[in-house]
Amino acid sequence: DVKVTQSSRYLVKRTGEKVFLECVQDMDHENMFWYRQDPGLGLRLIYFSYDVKMKEKGDIPEGYSVSREKKERFSLILESASTNQTSMYLCASSTPGTGSYEQYFGPGTRLTVT
Amino acid sequence: QKEVEQDPGPLSVPEGAIVSLNCTYSNSAFQYFMWYRQYSRKGPELLMYTYSSGNKEDGRFTAQVDKSSKYISLFIRDSQPSDSATYLCAMSSAGTALIFGKGTTLSVSS
Repeated sequence: DVKVTQSSRYLVKRTGEKVFLECVQDMDHENMFWYRQDPGLGLRLIYFSYDVKMKEKGDIPEGYSVSREKKERFSLILESASTNQTSMYLCASSTPGTGSYEQYFGPGTRLTVT
Repeated sequence: QKEVEQDPGPLSVPEGAIVSLNCTYSNSAFQYFMWYRQYSRKGPELLMYTYSSGNKEDGRFTAQVDKSSKYISLFIRDSQPSDSATYLCAMSSAGTALIFGKGTTLSVSS
């Protein structure tokens, strides 16, 4: 079974802190994604990566950065956490292919910024 | 107009009912259409995938794509309490990232 793991299920941070969310996949997938999910707004793409050391901005990259030093690991960084970044963060991975449609998701990290 | 529109529900049905979930979209370049299911406190999981137009059936689930109307549907026959979840439609064109609908929350009561 494909497994995508995220470092924390629940996280509470203070405004201004630097926050690291880690994601690891064990299926040798080239593509990795970070989304946030908010009620009424659905899933929104923050950043994605098609290969090691490559990254592309998604729809809402402001306030975030990412790091992909190894193929299996994709990190999301909140440089200076703000309350409007309180959300559910979901990591996903997929094999290359047209549309990258079959994305495997992790369980999510519910981040609260106070 | 948003690229993908999905009625958020919630939708409540009795066990055994036929459920119809729908999404409309505006981008005629979309060719790949997916339905993901998300249980509470879990990540989404791929349920059905359809390329271009047509129907696809998998057990109690049928996915339909009507590209002429820019409309996709997911039908669930003989719905079960275990089908209670949020259903997300998603779509893309070749080589692009997925665009998700906001999700429809379904509750099936026994």
